[in-house]
Amino acid sequence: QKEVEQNSGPLSVPEGAIASLNCTYSDRVSQSFFWYRQYSGKSPELIMSIYSNGDKEDGRFTAQLNKASQYVSLLIRDSQPSDSATYLCAALTGNQFYFGTGTSLTVIP
Amino acid sequence: GAVVSQHPSRVICKSGTSVKIECRSLDFQATTMFWYRQFPKKSLMLMATSNEGSKATYEQGVEKDKFLINHASLTLSTLTVTSAHPEDSSFYICSARSGLASDTQYFGPGTRLTVL
Repeated sequence: QKEVEQNSGPLSVPEGAIASLNCTYSDRVSQSFFWYRQYSGKSPELIMSIYSNGDKEDGRFTAQLNKASQYVSLLIRDSQPSDSATYLCAALTGNQFYFGTGTSLTVIP
Repeated sequence: GAVVSQHPSRVICKSGTSVKIECRSLDFQATTMFWYRQFPKKSLMLMATSNEGSKATYEQGVEKDKFLINHASLTLSTLTVTSAHPEDSSFYICSARSGLASDTQYFGPGTRLTVL
């Protein structure tokens, strides 16, 4: 079982809609979680980090963490074509970072 | 925010030559630096983890004699691809872990290596 799992997609949403990206992790002791965005041909860029149960909002982005169910999600409101990218979920467990394989998102104008 | 630089951004070399890639954390001290490679349309693959002043820890299947990592200071790590071959052509990305409360990993812009 992989440490961090994501649906590879592709996920397509119309412009202006809410994009919902999900991630599950296997180790209950994972303490920190991160969402990165990676455009084609570029390196990952940190969008948000979350450490506590609940929601964390930053602009159009909301990260949600549910430790009991071991899932992390990222909501993108008012999706724009520029949000089209691959989104990577990562978990920090002890001193080890584990990355999911990424979900490809396409926002259709 | 934390900034990580990589140099060069792109390199083309002949088969058999060695290539050095530098990774620097510009505005923070990195307790740990990571090296990844990524093939087109594939996910990140961790190659090795390095801590300042100690030997790098390589992932299974990564040849430590081929991919030499030196972590000379808290702000600089280098990856040398020795005797490069066309199959080593890839996108190499470093990242640095901040030791601050956020304990986040920040990525450099990557180096695209093409071996002819």
